[in-house]
Amino acid sequence: DAGVTQSPTHLIKTRGQQVTLRCSPISGHKSVSWYQQVLGQGPQFIFQYYEKEERGRGNFPDRFSARQFPNYSSELNVNALLLGDSALYLCASSLTGTTGELFFGEGSRLTVL
Amino acid sequence: AQSVSQHNHHVILSEAASLELGCNYSYGGTVNLFWYVQYPGQHLQLLLKYFSGDPLVKGIKGFEAEFIKSKFSFNLRKPSVQWSDTAEYFCACRFSFNKFYFGSGTKLNVKP
Repeated sequence: DAGVTQSPTHLIKTRGQQVTLRCSPISGHKSVSWYQQVLGQGPQFIFQYYEKEERGRGNFPDRFSARQFPNYSSELNVNALLLGDSALYLCASSLTGTTGELFFGEGSRLTVL
Repeated sequence: AQSVSQHNHHVILSEAASLELGCNYSYGGTVNLFWYVQYPGQHLQLLLKYFSGDPLVKGIKGFEAEFIKSKFSFNLRKPSVQWSDTAEYFCACRFSFNKFYFGSGTKLNVKP
């Protein structure tokens, strides 16, 4: 079975641009979460979606937004990119929104110049 | 505020040495606890998890962890490490139903 898949794997943007990252969860998983991992730190929670509804939001500015589609895939959008947005963006899926472990994708490495 | 701290940022061991990585969390309520591992070039994978019951939890590849509620700790152990255990290890806690908090990670380097 396919795991969590993310695209693109690497991308380079310049300050002020916008980026969209995509995630497909494990088949049957209805919850998708997004995490930001800055070099040298652990993943930080950005969003959780369950059954297409936002169920949690971390301490990130409104430039960050996300959505979940009827097939449970998800997109993370970041507007007006800053240098500090350079990070590995991880998508994780879980069977439910409240229990169990997270299953991670390999991430999308974003570099902002 | 809820937080997770890992005390060791970088650990170097020889093969067959014993391993203990520390993890502490700050929260007075019910928590679910996890250890994830990230091998070089791979995605985060679950090593083990604790939800309730026996505080000594066994995971994959010979790893185990002990939940000590009074110390707010969930330390990871392995009696004898192998070169293939070289990886970065993350402790994580779920304090609320939908959000995981991760520690900053410990890089383990096992010398053959």
